Amino acid sequence: KQEVTQIPAALSVPEGENLVLNCSFTDSAIYNLQWFRQDPGKGLTSLLLIQSSQREQTSGRLNASLDKSSGRSTLYIAASQPGDSATYLCAVAYNFNKFYFGSGTKLNVKP
Amino acid sequence: NAGVMQNPRHLVRRRGQEARLRCSPMKGHSHVYWYRQLPEEGLKFMVYLQKENIIDESGMPKERFSAEFPKEGPSILRIQQVVRGDSAAYFCASSPLAQSPDTQYFGPGTRLTVL
Repeated sequence: KQEVTQIPAALSVPEGENLVLNCSFTDSAIYNLQWFRQDPGKGLTSLLLIQSSQREQTSGRLNASLDKSSGRSTLYIAASQPGDSATYLCAVAYNFNKFYFGSGTKLNVKP
Repeated sequence: NAGVMQNPRHLVRRRGQEARLRCSPMKGHSHVYWYRQLPEEGLKFMVYLQKENIIDESGMPKERFSAEFPKEGPSILRIQQVVRGDSAAYFCASSPLAQSPDTQYFGPGTRLTVL
């Protein structure tokens, strides 16, 4: 059974800190992995997509890494800002059909 | 190119009524996925459809829930005789191709409240 776990469930940091969000998955035979941002009452915004053959992806202050052998991915956010406050979801695809989502990390960046 | 459209954005139903949720995929996308998000949880896959075909419905409850994606018009997720436990956000996603590295593009969701 494929399971996706995110740690921590919630995180509160002062503005300017660098932070790491963790995602682990039980089955390493993934198709791809994606990090999303979800604002309260809103839909999902795709942040980074890592194909199974890739080790990392970067976009601005965000960097996502993938280690299939250990079943882990991390999302690194540099120089955090209050506007980064949201829930961050990790989603793993084992084929083209569907994503398995973690429960998310709720981030609060204090001014 | 408009994104994935879902309507209504908010839907209130009383127990026993029917709920119909609509999803219009992005232009050129022929693959639609429905997910459900219970409060304080991640999204759970429900069903994957192509035009006029259900490809994978492994996440759909066996009773009261059905989905379709007709040749013309939006995809419909139908919940009959709703119960309070059906209260959730329902998200639709679309993609242009099967077996491609393209991501799924998500709509804004429909938030269903069952009174």
